[in-house]
Amino acid sequence: AQSVTQLGSHVSVSEGALVLLRCNYSSSVPPYLFWYVQYPNQGLQLLLKYTSAATLVKGINGFEAEFKKSETSFHLTKPSAHMSDAAEYFCAVSGSGAGSYQLTFGKGTKLSVIP
Amino acid sequence: GAGVSQTPSNKVTEKGKYVELRCDPISGHTALYWYRQSLGQGPEFLIYFQGTGAADDSGLPNDRFFAVRPEGSVSTLKIQRTERGDSAVYLCASSSPDSGNTIYFGEGSWLTVV
Repeated sequence: AQSVTQLGSHVSVSEGALVLLRCNYSSSVPPYLFWYVQYPNQGLQLLLKYTSAATLVKGINGFEAEFKKSETSFHLTKPSAHMSDAAEYFCAVSGSGAGSYQLTFGKGTKLSVIP
Repeated sequence: GAGVSQTPSNKVTEKGKYVELRCDPISGHTALYWYRQSLGQGPEFLIYFQGTGAADDSGLPNDRFFAVRPEGSVSTLKIQRTERGDSAVYLCASSSPDSGNTIYFGEGSWLTVV
């Protein structure tokens, strides 16, 4: 079984500041980990994914995340926030191999960017 | 098509009525998924199809919910005797080994039961 905890349902940052969105997971099998972004009235868009290759994963729009097994974490970062980054972000986990189809999502973190 | 297409985008129905939600996956994607997203929550898995068959329907909440994919492409999620608690966004997604099994989501069908 897998679960995801996203710390902070709402995060506000100033434009140009560091973005840090936290995600901790639990999994009984080696996990695959994902970050999705959801803009208002749109579907989920994949930002990046970890599938047991490099622990530092680079995604679209300047985002990256680091898999830390010892901390069971997969935090999302971006060095400098843009106004266009304002959206809701979801961390998700799945099993690897045969269990990779079923994503378990966190409750999401809404990111606001202040001009 | 270019992306996962879902219809209707919005549906308001009365309690007790029957509802069908349609999903047209990305062309060539063999795997199809349904998720449900309630207000303030992350999406929750409902069912997974590989081809025409439901490989895992463990997320369907009860027997009022049923989904089909008769020709291995378009899928329909069917909800009988709708209840107010069924109000949510129903998300469809698809994937393919050719695209690294990345799961691509549609924009969802907003269902409101009044």
